[in-house]
Amino acid sequence: AQSVAQPEDQVNVAEGNPLTVKCTYSVSGNPYLFWYVQYPNRGLQFLLKYITGDNLVKGSYGFEAEFNKSQTSFHLKKPSALVSDSALYFCAVRDPYNNNDMRFGAGTRLTVKP
Amino acid sequence: DGGITQSPKYLFRKEGQNVTLSCEQNLNHDAMYWYRQDPGQGLRLIYYSQIVNDFQKGDIAEGYSVSREKKESFPLTVTSAQKNPTAFYLCASSDLEGRTDTQYFGPGTRLTVL
Repeated sequence: AQSVAQPEDQVNVAEGNPLTVKCTYSVSGNPYLFWYVQYPNRGLQFLLKYITGDNLVKGSYGFEAEFNKSQTSFHLKKPSALVSDSALYFCAVRDPYNNNDMRFGAGTRLTVKP
Repeated sequence: DGGITQSPKYLFRKEGQNVTLSCEQNLNHDAMYWYRQDPGQGLRLIYYSQIVNDFQKGDIAEGYSVSREKKESFPLTVTSAQKNPTAFYLCASSDLEGRTDTQYFGPGTRLTVL
């Protein structure tokens, strides 16, 4: 069965600095990988996904993620963090053969300080 | 959150009561999902449905029930058999036929047992 791990519970960065939120995955076959963001007491908002193709995926709000097959990673990045980026971020992996089997990481809380 | 509505936003339940959480989508998506979110645990799948009048158990279905009488609606009932129902409940949908592979989420319902 597939799984994802987000090794950091909390990430703190200063506004204007680059940010990275880490995600590693385990899946048999080619992974379908996703990043979502959650603001307090809200649902998850889709940021970006990797299905196939270019290893660098660009998404909403200036975020991007790099798929690295050899390191089984899919880290979320942004060149310049904003205070408004402060939220809970979830990485997810979907079984390529089962639309309904989506596994989520435990989440990483990003805090961007002014 | 656009296209998927959940109600109520907050729900309080007494011990021994059944409660029903509403989820409606106007995205014409085939599949709908219910997840439970607990602090520090990510999302766990309760039930999913790929088509009207059909649904499948997820990882933590015990103490929950669902119905799918209309494509747009997928209500979740939390029964008195669910021993620890206090959590944040998220509904999602995806377009299986279009194979977009992405699940889109509603704003969530926070259930508290008194």
